[in-house]
Amino acid sequence: ETGVTQSPTHLIKTRGQQVTLRCSSQSGHNTVSWYQQALGQGPQFIFQYYREEENGRGNFPPRFSGLQFPNYSSELNVNALELDDSALYLCASSLGFPSSYNEQFFGPGTRLTVL
Amino acid sequence: AQSVAQPEDQVNVAEGNPLTVKCTYSVSGNPYLFWYVQYPNRGLQFLLKYITGDNLVKGSYGFEAEFNKSQTSFHLKKPSALVSDSALYFCAAKSSSNTGKLIFGQGTTLQVKP
Repeated sequence: ETGVTQSPTHLIKTRGQQVTLRCSSQSGHNTVSWYQQALGQGPQFIFQYYREEENGRGNFPPRFSGLQFPNYSSELNVNALELDDSALYLCASSLGFPSSYNEQFFGPGTRLTVL
Repeated sequence: AQSVAQPEDQVNVAEGNPLTVKCTYSVSGNPYLFWYVQYPNRGLQFLLKYITGDNLVKGSYGFEAEFNKSQTSFHLKKPSALVSDSALYFCAAKSSSNTGKLIFGQGTTLQVKP
């Protein structure tokens, strides 16, 4: 069984640019969540997708957007990058309804540096 | 606002001694509670969860956690620490609402010394 994978591993961008991060869910998982983890802090919820629809959003501006595809893989897009967007971006997948008690399985993350 | 707190930035224990990593939560309803561990440059790895029922839950690698509703706490414990347990530990809560949003604490670094 393949776990959650993310690409790329590392990324360096400059202010104002746009970035797309990708995530492949664990096999059979239909819910994907994205988190931002700044250095020395706990992960912060960005948004979640369930069956290709956004199902909840954290306190992030609209320039953070996402997609979930029919095979349950997902993308996180960030427009107009700012220095504060530098962080580890984590994708997590889970099985079943988002409100269930099923644990989320995390990928290794994408380290984004904005210069 | 809903939140999870881990009052200790770092916990130091000697190998073979018991360890406790503390967590308290302020989340409405009866939240589900989780512990995750993060090794350097890695994602989060699930350790255990509390859903309902027995207040002591057992998880991976000999870890367990004690749920206390009156104190809104969910402390992580292990009877005998190993050097390899040294890592960053996160407590998280999930409201039994429609979304699967996990609310994380700020993390506690566990240092186990030989």
